[in-house]
Amino acid sequence: DIQLTQSPSFLSASVGDRVTITCRASQGISSYLAWYQQKPGKAPKLLIYAASTLQSGVPSRFSGSGSGTEFTLTISSLQPEDFATYYCQQLNSYPFGGGTKVEIK
Amino acid sequence: EVQLVQSGAEVKKPGESLKISCKGSGYSFTSYWIGWVRQMPGKGLEWMGIIYPGDSDTRYSPSFQGQVTISADKSISTAYLQWSSLKASDTAMYYCARHLGGAFDPWGQGTLVTVSS
Repeated sequence: DIQLTQSPSFLSASVGDRVTITCRASQGISSYLAWYQQKPGKAPKLLIYAASTLQSGVPSRFSGSGSGTEFTLTISSLQPEDFATYYCQQLNSYPFGGGTKVEIK
Repeated sequence: EVQLVQSGAEVKKPGESLKISCKGSGYSFTSYWIGWVRQMPGKGLEWMGIIYPGDSDTRYSPSFQGQVTISADKSISTAYLQWSSLKASDTAMYYCARHLGGAFDPWGQGTLVTVSS
């Protein structure tokens, strides 16, 4: 089975910071990767699919890159509403990464 | 508007059975896979399984195979997740989500299942 490893699992950042989250796959998955944002008490929300395609309505400060086994989610300038937990998901066999919680420094 | 609306919170005792639902609207329900995801308290997301309502083709995560049953009734645009004998460890929030191209979107609002004696 394909495993996804996210890092870091927790990060503390300030408004305006550039934030990068990494997702590594245990074997190559081409570009079959999505990123989600989850806020407390809410369902996950799709941010990016096919590794780098921004979902309609998602702010352009979010971007995704990578292919094969290493992927990144970048928030170019962190906003107060971006403090949340972020998950990657592989879209062949659907496992999720362990999550990255982004908190206010 | 594409929407998935899940059934309400449940409180059950160990050993009881349960079936929760996810009703799709605003799109062709039979044309897209529906997945189920578990989130235990304070933990991450776990993919459980997926069903294609058009022909009820179903795939399970190895971790959940034999533990739950996923089904769908296309006549009422509804997918289901059921347990025959609940355990305390089944206490979690359960989400359904439509599989669209390369991702799951949208998601239902979640159904909280609490299993306690």
